[in-house]
Amino acid sequence: RKEVEQDPGPFNVPEGATVAFNCTYSNSASQSFFWYRQDCRKEPKLLMSVYSSGNEDGRFTAQLNRASQYISLLIRDSKLSDSATYLCVVNQAGTALIFGKGTTLSVSS
Amino acid sequence: EPEVTQTPSHQVTQMGQEVILRCVPISNHLYFYWYRQILGQKVEFLVSFYNNEISEKSEIFDDQFSVERPDGSNFTLKIRSTKLEDSAMYFCASKEDSLNQETQYFGPGTRLLVL
Repeated sequence: RKEVEQDPGPFNVPEGATVAFNCTYSNSASQSFFWYRQDCRKEPKLLMSVYSSGNEDGRFTAQLNRASQYISLLIRDSKLSDSATYLCVVNQAGTALIFGKGTTLSVSS
Repeated sequence: EPEVTQTPSHQVTQMGQEVILRCVPISNHLYFYWYRQILGQKVEFLVSFYNNEISEKSEIFDDQFSVERPDGSNFTLKIRSTKLEDSAMYFCASKEDSLNQETQYFGPGTRLLVL
């Protein structure tokens, strides 16, 4: 049973496009939610935490629906530098992070 | 900005050999983790360490693996007898000791290749 599932990707979009990624998680006891970004052959880096009320950080907006066990990430006005793999990550307090396989985004000029 | 560091960046070893991967977590962090990522696959949890003992481990973390905090700064992962399937990127992560802080910060990883 996959614990965190993400859109298969890859997403290929032009600069300036808006793109949305979706993620579902199976463990209803999950308490913390994150989007990490991973560049090729690099470590995961925290993009943003996801809060129940939804939150925004510049061009990035994250939403959480606990009832549906669904998390989303919206990227507006895509830049070339946004090209990466976006990892949906969940955990229960004090436990290991559970990663999705990631969705690859490629932004072209 | 403080960061997690890892050495070596790359390690090539023969099957059956022992390897030790080293990590220096962020200095005021008290929770430490090892994860691995096989090429093309997702990041997988191996083990967590707090207060000088293992707090959680996955099925992957069998008797061939061990962790240690030999001094006040290093956190190591030892693989006693490497197998071909141990080839992966190994990431160390750390987290501060705060009830409301779940964010883990990752080091740059050690790429292990077992031949």
